[in-house]
Amino acid sequence: QKEVEQNSGPLSVPEGAIASLNCTYSDRGSQSFFWYRQYSGKSPELIMFIYSNGDKEDGRFTAQLNKASQYVSLLIRDSQPSDSATYLCAVLGGDSSYKLIFGSGTRLLVRP
Amino acid sequence: DAGITQSPRHKVTETGTPVTLRCHQTENHRYMYWYRQDPGHGLRLIHYSYGVKDTDKGEVSDGYSVSRSKTEDFLLTLESATSSQTSVYFCAISEGQKQPQHFGDGTRLSIL
Repeated sequence: QKEVEQNSGPLSVPEGAIASLNCTYSDRGSQSFFWYRQYSGKSPELIMFIYSNGDKEDGRFTAQLNKASQYVSLLIRDSQPSDSATYLCAVLGGDSSYKLIFGSGTRLLVRP
Repeated sequence: DAGITQSPRHKVTETGTPVTLRCHQTENHRYMYWYRQDPGHGLRLIHYSYGVKDTDKGEVSDGYSVSRSKTEDFLLTLESATSSQTSVYFCAISEGQKQPQHFGDGTRLSIL
């Protein structure tokens, strides 16, 4: 069974620090990787997606992908209290079904 | 925000009754998805659609059926609701199979 693993947290960081969120996946054929942010009681919101090995930056967010080690990470620079949320990692399967598999999420707390 | 409307937003019903949830999109996207989200399990795919009248099963499809008679509408039906189907249900859409998915606001369903 294809799995996506995340540390449930909470990950607590001070305001202004870099938050590092990690995700590992089991399907070596996976092609596309997504990070969603979900505030309590709200729906998931797409933050980043990455398809190729390496880094992809968008504002304060950087997604990092290492297919050989089967992990993907999300860095949040200059963390703000408003970044406090659950971050969901999602991986698109490598088989023809192209189904998105979600991790259970990491809860991030940014302390003022 | 992606033009996705889920209805109803909240529903309480009794075991054994039929329930239909509606997802309506204004983006003309081909792909539509139904997920459920439960504590400890993350988001799990129930069914998805890749076109009008074209649907397929997801990870947790037992007890659920779907229909898509128009591009903009995707219905999820619980034929005979059970307490184990108490959950938050999210609809998502995407332009293509490998493209990012965008989520609606969710429906909180309680089955007593």
